[in-house]
Amino acid sequence: SAVISQKPSRDICQRGTSLTIQCQVDSQVTMMFWYRQQPGQSLTLIATANQGSEATYESGFVIDKFPISRPNLTFSTLTVSNMSPEDSSIYLCSVEDYGTRGDGYTFGSGTRLTVV
Amino acid sequence: GQQLNQSPQSMFIQEGEDVSMNCTSSSIFNTWLWYKQDPGEGPVLLIALYKAGELTSNGRLTAQFGITRKDSFLNISASIPSDVGIYFCAGRRGGSNYKLTFGKGTLLTVNP
Repeated sequence: SAVISQKPSRDICQRGTSLTIQCQVDSQVTMMFWYRQQPGQSLTLIATANQGSEATYESGFVIDKFPISRPNLTFSTLTVSNMSPEDSSIYLCSVEDYGTRGDGYTFGSGTRLTVV
Repeated sequence: GQQLNQSPQSMFIQEGEDVSMNCTSSSIFNTWLWYKQDPGEGPVLLIALYKAGELTSNGRLTAQFGITRKDSFLNISASIPSDVGIYFCAGRRGGSNYKLTFGKGTLLTVNP
C-alpha cells in the first residue's frame, strides 16, 4: 500500500492567516484527494488534485479559499486561506490505492488545525 | 448530495462481545469500504467489497455487500480493547465516478 506523509501534523493559527499543508506519497499516483473532517464529524471531500491541471472542487469549496498545487505525481499542497475559527478541522490527503486489502483509498495521518 | 446512513452512532460493549454496525443508502454503490480511525490518525482501510452479496473477512472482522447494493454491514467478533475507535463506511459509485461518500461513523468503546 502507498505510504503518505502529511505535514504539519497539527498547528494553531491566528485568524486571517493562511496555512499550507503538504502531502507526499511514496509512489506515483494519478489523483490525490483532500478531505476535511470537522470535529466529531465524518469526512467531506474538498477537491481532487490532478497533476498538470486545475484541481476539481466540490460544492461548497472554492479555489480562493483552498488553493491546491499538484506539481508532480507524488506531491500536493492544500492551503487554507484567510482562516477563521470555523476552519478548525482535521485536513486529510488521500490517494487511490491498489494494496493488499483491495482497491481502496489510503489516507495520510491528517493535519489538525486550530484557528484562534 | 448522496448520504450514507450509518448506525449505530456509538456503542459501548464489554471485551469479548460481538459488534455489528451497518450502512444504508438510497443510491446504489459499486464498492463498499470500511475504515477505522484511531485518535490523531487518518482512517485505515479494513475491508473492501466489490460485488453484491460478497462476504469478506479480515481476521475477526467480517463485512458484507448487500444484495441491493444499497447497504453493507461490518461485524467484529470477540472484541478486544484495541478495537476502540471510529468506524466509517464509505461507498463508491464506480466507473468514472471515483469519489467516496462517507457515513457519519460509529464510535466503538470496549470496556475491558
